[in-house]
Amino acid sequence: KNQVEQSPQSLIILEGKNCTLQCNYTVSPFSNLRWYKQDTGRGPVSLTIMTFSENTKSNGRYTATLDADTKQSSLHITASQLSDSASYICVVSASQAGTALIFGKGTTLSVSS
Amino acid sequence: KAGVTQTPRYLIKTRGQQVTLSCSPISGHRSVSWYQQTPGQGLQFLFEYFSETQRNKGNFPGRFSGRQFSNSRSEMNVSTLELGDSALYLCASSAGLAGGELFFGEGSRLTVL
Repeated sequence: KNQVEQSPQSLIILEGKNCTLQCNYTVSPFSNLRWYKQDTGRGPVSLTIMTFSENTKSNGRYTATLDADTKQSSLHITASQLSDSASYICVVSASQAGTALIFGKGTTLSVSS
Repeated sequence: KAGVTQTPRYLIKTRGQQVTLSCSPISGHRSVSWYQQTPGQGLQFLFEYFSETQRNKGNFPGRFSGRQFSNSRSEMNVSTLELGDSALYLCASSAGLAGGELFFGEGSRLTVL
């Protein structure tokens, strides 16, 4: 069964600190993995998209890694800011007849001053 | 370039009623996909339309339906509303099918009383 699991479910960190969010998936056949940021009451915004051959991709202070062998991805946030408080959603695309997107339930990050 | 526009942003209905939500994609995008987001289940895929044809469908009952017009605008309809239909309904557009980058709207928050 295609599944995407994220951990932790929620996280609280101090402003300026780094943090890492995890995403494990069992999706086959794999096409790509995406990370989205969703502010409260807003639609998700794409942070990164990685294909099978990409190990690392950065978007400003956000760096995503992908290990296709272990089917794990992480999103590292450097020098966190209050505006990083949001839900971070991992989404895996399965390349099959009709592309299927499998969503994780997200990690809620709270950055406090 | 205008983003994805969803209307209405908020609405309240009672059980048994029906509702129609609208989505205008980014200009030039031909794919529109719909998602239901609830606190317990996270984001769940409803259906995807490309060039007025439904290309993919999630695991939702037949009360959920949609369509796409020749200008790529899309509507989704939920009939015989149930309390469990209360959710944020998100629309996303992409240039091609959903294997590509998705751009989400702000969503329509439906409350069923």
